[in-house]
Amino acid sequence: DAKTTQPNSMESNEEEPVHLPCNHSTISGTDYIHWYRQLPSQGPEYVIHGLTSNVNNRMASLAIAEDRKSSTLILHRATLRDAAVYYCILINQGGKLIFGQGTELSVKP
Amino acid sequence: DGGITQSPKYLFRKEGQNVTLSCEQNLNHDAMYWYRQDPGQGLRLIYYSQIVNDFQKGDIAEGYSVSREKKESFPLTVTSAQKNPTAFYLCASSQIWDRVNSEAFFGQGTRLTVV
Repeated sequence: DAKTTQPNSMESNEEEPVHLPCNHSTISGTDYIHWYRQLPSQGPEYVIHGLTSNVNNRMASLAIAEDRKSSTLILHRATLRDAAVYYCILINQGGKLIFGQGTELSVKP
Repeated sequence: DGGITQSPKYLFRKEGQNVTLSCEQNLNHDAMYWYRQDPGQGLRLIYYSQIVNDFQKGDIAEGYSVSREKKESFPLTVTSAQKNPTAFYLCASSQIWDRVNSEAFFGQGTRLTVV
């Protein structure tokens, strides 16, 4: 199974953009890149996913490197409610979801 | 509303007893998953099932058992063989065969405490 590597923690100021990096150097051509976030004592929630092209939705943007060995989740204006653990995972055909340690994002007012 | 439901939210059991955690989804998803989360840690995969009547071990399957007799249900039994069963358990489902719309949905979790 392809692995992902993320920083353990990041800090941001409220209303500023946040760029959360993820390295996945062993990604295969058919792996989708998914991002989830988890608030304390809750189940993770889906944020965004993509294959090759950059993706935007109402929550965030996903920028995927041209060689697909890394990606960045972009929160355009961080709010206090965005403080969570963010997980970057790869999903291949068959859909086995393997989570790493994630990045704990703290947002300062 | 479609979703995935875990019950109960909190569960207490005595050491040595088996306990079954419930997970039900009405999203018509083929794949279902069980994860364990310990304080300050990420999610570790216990078992997953891609289709009814079939399931595979994840990274930490020892001391756990599952069944997948119906598409919408994937119960997890924590057996007395599990040495450290106290944890937060999460169930998820996804439509893996539609990879464009393959996002996973998670339940709210069951916090199991063994005393």
